Amino acid sequence: DGGITQSPKYLFRKEGQNVTLSCEQNLNHDAMYWYRQDPGQGLRLIYYSQIVNDFQKGDIAEGYSVSREKKESFPLTVTSAQKNPTAFYLCASSISLEQFFGPGTRLTVL
Amino acid sequence: DQQVKQNSPSLSVQEGRISILNCDYTNSMFDYFLWYKKYPAEGPTFLISISSIKDKNEDGRFTVFLNKSAKHLSLHIVPSQPGDSAVYFCAAGYTGNQFYFGTGTSLTVIP
Repeated sequence: DGGITQSPKYLFRKEGQNVTLSCEQNLNHDAMYWYRQDPGQGLRLIYYSQIVNDFQKGDIAEGYSVSREKKESFPLTVTSAQKNPTAFYLCASSISLEQFFGPGTRLTVL
Repeated sequence: DQQVKQNSPSLSVQEGRISILNCDYTNSMFDYFLWYKKYPAEGPTFLISISSIKDKNEDGRFTVFLNKSAKHLSLHIVPSQPGDSAVYFCAAGYTGNQFYFGTGTSLTVIP
């Protein structure tokens, strides 16, 4: 059945290491998004992609990178340049205006 | 600067009564608005939407009202049920652009 998957659900990394979060969708949606959620804050947009091989920075792109080589996949790399990487990361996709979210990945940097 | 604000971090309502969640926005170009429900450690689930050409949209127990002149929207849940207890996010945007999310309101429905 169709949906958005994010793996793993929990991820631990040492400070200074890059880490890549997976996001896959089989909904045939053109657009995909990465958000970050911190306690007491709303969802903040990191990057989004409207079509394959194209993506745009959101409000908090610094320290992150993405790729969109396939329609189904939109991986997010959290680099060592991201000063506060510990957060809950959410991936979403859409074909119109409503965005559908994956279950999220909680990243903890030790 | 926060373009979408939910000024009430939390709300408690008795089961069976009405829950009203509020959301304010600053950008008059926003023409589409969404409400999401979120449980802890899960992704948000889409609830209901409204476009700027309407002032009301209803789906079962959920109704969203839009007041464009006040740049305000609200979500009404009637009757409230314990399973409605979750964090509710509103989001606003315009076609071809990103959506901006509020900080969320945590709703507790007391049995």
